[in-house]
Amino acid sequence: DTVLTQSPALAVSPGERVTISCRASESVSTLMHWYQQKPGQQPKLLIYLASHLESGVPARFSGSGSGTDFTLTIDPVEADDTATYYCQQSWNDPPTFGGGTKLELK
Amino acid sequence: QVQLKESGPGLVQPSETLSLTCTVSGFSLTSYSVSWVRQPSGKGPEWMGRMWYDGDTAYNSALKSRLSISRDTSKNQVFLKMNSLQTDDTGTYYCTRDRLSVVPYYYVMDAWGQGASVTVSS
Repeated sequence: DTVLTQSPALAVSPGERVTISCRASESVSTLMHWYQQKPGQQPKLLIYLASHLESGVPARFSGSGSGTDFTLTIDPVEADDTATYYCQQSWNDPPTFGGGTKLELK
Repeated sequence: QVQLKESGPGLVQPSETLSLTCTVSGFSLTSYSVSWVRQPSGKGPEWMGRMWYDGDTAYNSALKSRLSISRDTSKNQVFLKMNSLQTDDTGTYYCTRDRLSVVPYYYVMDAWGQGASVTVSS
């Protein structure tokens, strides 16, 4: 299975720019998606196909990357962005998720 | 409005079978696929399997021997059955709507239910 590796946690101040990374153990082309999960809630799709913003998601969120290295950028970060962010690939079967990056605001 | 809702027992005995139902609204099961995804507390999600819009199924090979997914389109429901449960099957179980694009080919889980918490314990 394709393993997706994410840094466990980040802490930033509101108004700053934050980049969350995801590295795949093998190429996933651009079939990488990003989800936001707030405590006690289900995941919510933010970005699909590496860089496409899901409808209704603020333009503060953006994504980039291809192959094995991907990033999710939030600029500027707001207090409401406190959450865990997961990457997920759908190029190889089975689809797999990263372990998540917990974003905390200072 | 797209909605998915999981239902089922919160507590299952070890070695027994888990049965969950996903009831959907706002879309047709013959137009969209539905996946089951589980998430142990504090860990990343794990894709379990999918009911394709055409009635076919796909399973994670790690769970395939224990897992069965079916549906009743007349009731807008997708079912999950997994046998031989153990304590490491404890977690939250979600059903998701899978949005499929043919060109380019991809699918993405664009809507999630609120989740059903399942504890495996005697």
